[in-house]
Formats: sequence, C-alpha cells, structure tokens
Amino acid sequence: QQQVKQSPQSLIVQKGGIPIINCAYENTAFDYFPWYQQFPGKGPALLIAIRPDVSEKKEGRFTISFNKSAKQFSLHIMDSQPGDSATYFCAAIISNTGKLIFGQGTTLQVKP
Amino acid sequence: DAGITQSPRHKVTETGTPVTLRCHQTENHRYMYWYRQDPGHGLRLIHYSYGVKDTDKGEVSDGYSVSRSKTEDFLLTLESATSSQTSVYFCAISESNMGIQETQYFGPGTRLLVL
Repeated sequence: QQQVKQSPQSLIVQKGGIPIINCAYENTAFDYFPWYQQFPGKGPALLIAIRPDVSEKKEGRFTISFNKSAKQFSLHIMDSQPGDSATYFCAAIISNTGKLIFGQGTTLQVKP
Repeated sequence: DAGITQSPRHKVTETGTPVTLRCHQTENHRYMYWYRQDPGHGLRLIHYSYGVKDTDKGEVSDGYSVSRSKTEDFLLTLESATSSQTSVYFCAISESNMGIQETQYFGPGTRLLVL
C-alpha cells in the first residue's frame, strides 16, 4: 500500500521554467512533510520541509504548497536551472516514530 | 553526506551467500535507519535503531537482520541473499528533539547486485 503517491514520474522543462511535482497522502497522522533531492550516485539530501499547519513555505527558488483538506502537497521550482536536474522525492512522517514514507520519485531534467 | 560512511560501496554476490553492509556515523546521533531504493518504489525502510541494541522492523524487513553494538555502527545482514534483494541500500541518521525525529541525513549508498 503506497501511503504517499507522487507524480509525475519524470519531467522535462526548459531553463527558467517552473516544474511542479505533486504528492498525495492518506494518513492524516502525518505531521511533517519533507522533500529530498538526489543526484546520481549520491544519497538523498533534505531540500525543504513543511508542517500541515502552514499552507506555503519558500526557501530560495523552492516552494512547497500544502493543502491539508485535500491531503496534497507540491513542490515548485522557480527559475529552474540545469543544475536542478535530479530526482526529487516527497515524503511524510509521524514525527515521534521516525518512520519516513517516501513517494516514488520524480526525475527532473532542466534543458539549457 | 553528514558524517556517514557506508561500506562496501559496491558489491556483487551470488544467490544464497550471506552479505553484511556497514553504516558508520561520526555525528553521535541516536537514530539510525536502513532503506532500500528501487525504481518505482522510492525508498523503503528496512529496519531502524533507536539506540544501542535497540532495533525494530520497517516496511520491508523480511530477509534482513540488523545489529547495533555501538552508537556509531549499524550493520545490515542479508542471511541468504536473493536476486530480489538487488538494490541500492542507504543508511540514514537522525537526532531526537523532545522525542521528535524529523530530519534524516543519508549516506552515499551501497549498490548490491545478487546474481
């Protein structure tokens, strides 16, 4: 049972475009929603995270939008650059359990 | 990679052989995790540890065992490797703030091929 569903599986945009990656979750007990960025041959690295009592969070060119009633959240990358080409994972966690549940991942390619 | 090393980084083995992967951290974090990454599945939790000699099962624990005899080391063992265990394995660590473990830091991964 996939508790966190992520789409699309892959995404290609031109430099300067705004790729959007969407995630949906089922368990309303989740209380922390991080996004991880992974480059080939590397481990995932925390990019940005949000709690369900906040509707939007921005860090640099990365923005998370959160819709608690719809149980959905999304990552927007403003002014995307070729260096943003990576695989992005959304995740969800019940904080006092430490058990991260990951989405399936989105491979992003930003063309110059 | 947040003071986390994994060894070996690459391994090829045969079906039925035992395999042990090692995760070593220099951060003195209490919590350690083993995940496997497979296309179309993201990362899935195998086992985790919340202290020395304290471990518990994750989502996909069948066929795996773990041990943690020191804070800095967390071992993942495949007692009898199968082809379905071909994957990339990641170790992660986190600290607890008032019982809340949120941010996990990942190691560089071990690529395992079981023939």
